[in-house]
Amino acid sequence: DAKTTQPNSMESNEEEPVHLPCNHSTISGTDYIHWYRQLPSQGPEYVIHGLTSNVNNRMASLAIAEDRKSSTLILHRATLRDAAVYYCILRDRDNFNKFYFGSGTKLNVKP
Amino acid sequence: KAGVTQTPRYLIKTRGQQVTLSCSPISGHRSVSWYQQTPGQGLQFLFEYFSETQRNKGNFPGRFSGRQFSNSRSEMNVSTLELGDSALYLCASSSKVGGSGTEAFFGQGTRLTVV
Repeated sequence: DAKTTQPNSMESNEEEPVHLPCNHSTISGTDYIHWYRQLPSQGPEYVIHGLTSNVNNRMASLAIAEDRKSSTLILHRATLRDAAVYYCILRDRDNFNKFYFGSGTKLNVKP
Repeated sequence: KAGVTQTPRYLIKTRGQQVTLSCSPISGHRSVSWYQQTPGQGLQFLFEYFSETQRNKGNFPGRFSGRQFSNSRSEMNVSTLELGDSALYLCASSSKVGGSGTEAFFGQGTRLTVV
């Protein structure tokens, strides 16, 4: 059921930017792109979301391709606390809270 | 503002028993969703409730059921427990069921171990 594809794992050095890619080639016009992350032993935590335009918040930036078939989550300066599994999720406007999580990307941050 | 509260945090049950898990959403949120997380299958959607009505259901057997009360608190029940039901059960609450994108808030989960 997962409609997104992400690399299984990525590694980054502390204080450096991280670009986490996500492919969602079957996205429909009403799907919102959401990113969540799950720290060890915790429930998923909202990071950012967007529909068509690039978005910024205090945690990250979201770059959405013009055709919306892919997106990239950007952490501008990775910290050790950012080590987590990052999930890219499409939220259907009509089945809004029925998340398909996929396998996510496990981000490892090296000091 | 209090977050999503799930109780209990940890639970050990024996095969064949039944179990009830509880979720209190953020105040004012009327949508509650449940997920099962296992190492092999990842996070899988169980069901969603809004205003005491089930809106969506995932691909789980009928042993998995849930309900929502008038104060938006939700419970899920698993009957005739199997070893494979051992998992982290997560609950999420949201103020909306559709429309423009908003975040869902997750609880810390209930770790169920079936022995």
